[in-house]
Amino acid sequence: RKEVEQDPGPFNVPEGATVAFNCTYSNSASQSFFWYRQDCRKEPKLLMSVYSSGNEDGRFTAQLNRASQYISLLIRDSKLSDSATYLCVVNKVAGTYKYIFGTGTRLKVLA
Amino acid sequence: DGGITQSPKYLFRKEGQNVTLSCEQNLNHDAMYWYRQDPGQGLRLIYYSQIVNDFQKGDIAEGYSVSREKKESFPLTVTSAQKNPTAFYLCASSISWTGGNTIYFGEGSWLTVV
Repeated sequence: RKEVEQDPGPFNVPEGATVAFNCTYSNSASQSFFWYRQDCRKEPKLLMSVYSSGNEDGRFTAQLNRASQYISLLIRDSKLSDSATYLCVVNKVAGTYKYIFGTGTRLKVLA
Repeated sequence: DGGITQSPKYLFRKEGQNVTLSCEQNLNHDAMYWYRQDPGQGLRLIYYSQIVNDFQKGDIAEGYSVSREKKESFPLTVTSAQKNPTAFYLCASSISWTGGNTIYFGEGSWLTVV
């Protein structure tokens, strides 16, 4: 089982749609969680950290479910500019603070 | 501007040659990392450094070497021992090695073996 798993997509959605991605992680001791956005042939950039109580940043909402070991990202009112690959990142603990990256979920927002 | 600078952006290497990718940061971060990304795969950790003059192997260190003589600099050498070096290489840093810190990336270097 991969340490961090994401549905690769692509998710093709019309502009204005609401779309949700899930990411599961295997290490129950994982401490910190992030969503990054990566455009084609570019470096990943932080979209948002994920807090235990859930957090929102404009059209983006992140949730953490420790019991089921998954995090989610909700994008409301999708824009063409949201088209990208979204990477789930888990900061692994228990002796190491490595960042473990999912393979990403590709989103295409269609006009 | 503060950030992470990688160079060169594009590099072509002949088989059997060693090449060095530069990574410089002016964020005053203690921890630095090198990742490799292949199409359809997640980022894989090559080497990391928690602090100057220290570095550790990541998950795919074979065929690579690094140094951390200055806090700002963490160059990666891709040696001829790396059998499949064509990939997108990303340098990153975080304020410290302890958990919960955001990791920031340079713009990446594309290495192609010809």
